[in-house]
Amino acid sequence: EAQVTQNPRYLITVTGKKLTVTCSQNMNHEYMSWYRQDPGLGLRQIYYSMNVEVTDKGDVPEGYKVSRKEKRNFPLILESPSPNQTSLYFCASSPGGDIHTDTQYFGPGTRLTVL
Amino acid sequence: GQNIDQPTEMTATEGAIVQINCTYQTSGFNGLFWYQQHAGEAPTFLSYNVLDGLEEKGRFSSFLSRSKGYSYLLLKELQMKDSASYLCAATDSNYQLIWGAGTKLIIKP
Repeated sequence: EAQVTQNPRYLITVTGKKLTVTCSQNMNHEYMSWYRQDPGLGLRQIYYSMNVEVTDKGDVPEGYKVSRKEKRNFPLILESPSPNQTSLYFCASSPGGDIHTDTQYFGPGTRLTVL
Repeated sequence: GQNIDQPTEMTATEGAIVQINCTYQTSGFNGLFWYQQHAGEAPTFLSYNVLDGLEEKGRFSSFLSRSKGYSYLLLKELQMKDSASYLCAATDSNYQLIWGAGTKLIIKP
């Protein structure tokens, strides 16, 4: 089944404790992206990657890191999480032929709480 | 600045028709998406418009007017399962997606 998977789905952590949220897609998509979604705000892009070893900042990259060592995986790293990073996080991928007119396929989401 | 406006919440009756509006202000324009998001789930693609006019897909249609910076999503023969948030997103001249906050649609029997 074609899908985007994220792990964990739910995470409660404490300020300053490094964490990684994994994202994997099995559709051989070139383009991958991380978003956060907060009540009353639209989806905000954190980072995106147009292909292996190519990453770029989105609208809200501060406090986050990403890597793209393989085409299928795009982990999101929070080196020192803070309470303002409490949010619902989505990973998405798209084929990349025409990047921003492609349909994006979203993972199920990771609900992160930082205490 | 760049902005997407859509109503926060709408209520409609099962079997009826509802129109969800979206206005956008972007630096350039390269198309508009509508996504559906059920509570606690991921957004899923509904439609993409880049040219003026109406695109129909079964019970759902999407309209775009580039000159007015305006789009709407039309849902016909509403079903309870259509209760969800509907997200509007416009692509600017740099091909960045600008997302609206979403419209929560409540369907009543």
